[in-house]
Amino acid sequence: DADVTQTPRNRITKTGKRIMLECSQTKGHDRMYWYRQDPGLGLRLIYYSFDVKDINKGEISDGYSVSRQAQAKFSLSLESAIPNQTALYFCATSDKLAELFNEQFFGPGTRLTVL
Amino acid sequence: AQRVTQPEKLLSVFKGAPVELKCNYSYSGSPELFWYVQYSRQRLQLLLRHISRESIKGFTADLNKGETSFHLKKPFAQEEDSAMYYCALIHWVTGGGNKLTFGTGTQLKVEL
Repeated sequence: DADVTQTPRNRITKTGKRIMLECSQTKGHDRMYWYRQDPGLGLRLIYYSFDVKDINKGEISDGYSVSRQAQAKFSLSLESAIPNQTALYFCATSDKLAELFNEQFFGPGTRLTVL
Repeated sequence: AQRVTQPEKLLSVFKGAPVELKCNYSYSGSPELFWYVQYSRQRLQLLLRHISRESIKGFTADLNKGETSFHLKKPFAQEEDSAMYYCALIHWVTGGGNKLTFGTGTQLKVEL
């Protein structure tokens, strides 16, 4: 089955470390998104990409960067991790051809803890 | 700016009781809204979208532009409905494409 996968699934790191979260998809979708989920705050958009050459900031992009290496891969980096970046991170994809419906398909999430 | 408000963090109901999860929005354009659900240990997934006017798993949601609401309803709650529910609003981006703004979520707990 076509899927959205995230690696790693869990990560513990220390303040100041650089860390990369990876997202891969076999759905053939051109649009990809990164969110973080915090209790009481819901999902907030960090970055999104409508195709390989397109990168856009979301509502909370400070402290994060992304790379769209291919249509199927979208990586999120924390250049210098800080404790308030401890959260559950989700990658999602959507199909440009189904734009009106805009169903997003989510990965399983990466639980990141910054000590 | 667009905004989605879900006033209840937690909603607890008994099995067989009616359920209403509240969602209000603010958006300057024509709104298109969705409900997403996250069951325990499962991925976030689409439950229903207002444009389709569908009923999924017994849930319905009606867009009320006058009250700027899109409340999710089910007449008789089931234990398997226990989950986190997110209301989401499409925001169309200049130049093409769109993105979703999510509410803060409501945890529904159905008790026996």
